[in-house]
Amino acid sequence: AQSVAQPEDQVNVAEGNPLTVKCTYSVSGNPYLFWYVQYPNRGLQFLLKYITGDNLVKGSYGFEAEFNKSQTSFHLKKPSALVSDSALYFCAVRDMTTDSWGKLQFGAGTQVVVTP
Amino acid sequence: DSGVTQTPKHLITATGQRVTLRCSPRSGDLSVYWYQQSLDQGLQFLIQYYNGEERAKGNILERFSAQQFPDLHSELNLSSLELGDSALYFCASSARAGVGADTQYFGPGTRLTVL
Repeated sequence: AQSVAQPEDQVNVAEGNPLTVKCTYSVSGNPYLFWYVQYPNRGLQFLLKYITGDNLVKGSYGFEAEFNKSQTSFHLKKPSALVSDSALYFCAVRDMTTDSWGKLQFGAGTQVVVTP
Repeated sequence: DSGVTQTPKHLITATGQRVTLRCSPRSGDLSVYWYQQSLDQGLQFLIQYYNGEERAKGNILERFSAQQFPDLHSELNLSSLELGDSALYFCASSARAGVGADTQYFGPGTRLTVL
């Protein structure tokens, strides 16, 4: 079965410092990986995805993610965090097994708190 | 704004009742997914439709059902509601079904509270 794990429930970072949110995955076959962000009382917003190609993926709002096949990781990064980046972040893998038709399997989420 | 709309935003009802949640996908998207977000279960896939046909089922209770209409909007019907059904229900859409590269775009969700 395909799955993702987000090992940290919460990440605290000071504004201006680098932000990293960790994600590891387990899939059979090629992984299709996604990051979403959820602000309070809002839906999930798509940040970026890895399909194939360059291991460094650039996304919205200055975020990027690094795909590492040997470590089965897809960590989300931002060089300089903003207070407005405080939100709940979800890593997801596309389930491409038979009969799944591409549903997303989400991690538990990581709460990011950026302090001024 | 993702382009996916959901109504209503909030719904408060009593146990045993039946409600209908509505979703309109992004223009041109044929595939609609329903997800449930709760504190104890996290984000769980419920069901998927593609161009009017059911394509995949996840952890959807028998009391729940869904359909996608010819104009591609979708409705999720929840009946015999229980306290534990209180959650945020999301709809997402993508252009195609079963294509790994396609991005799913999420609506703002419907928050259901069962009293």
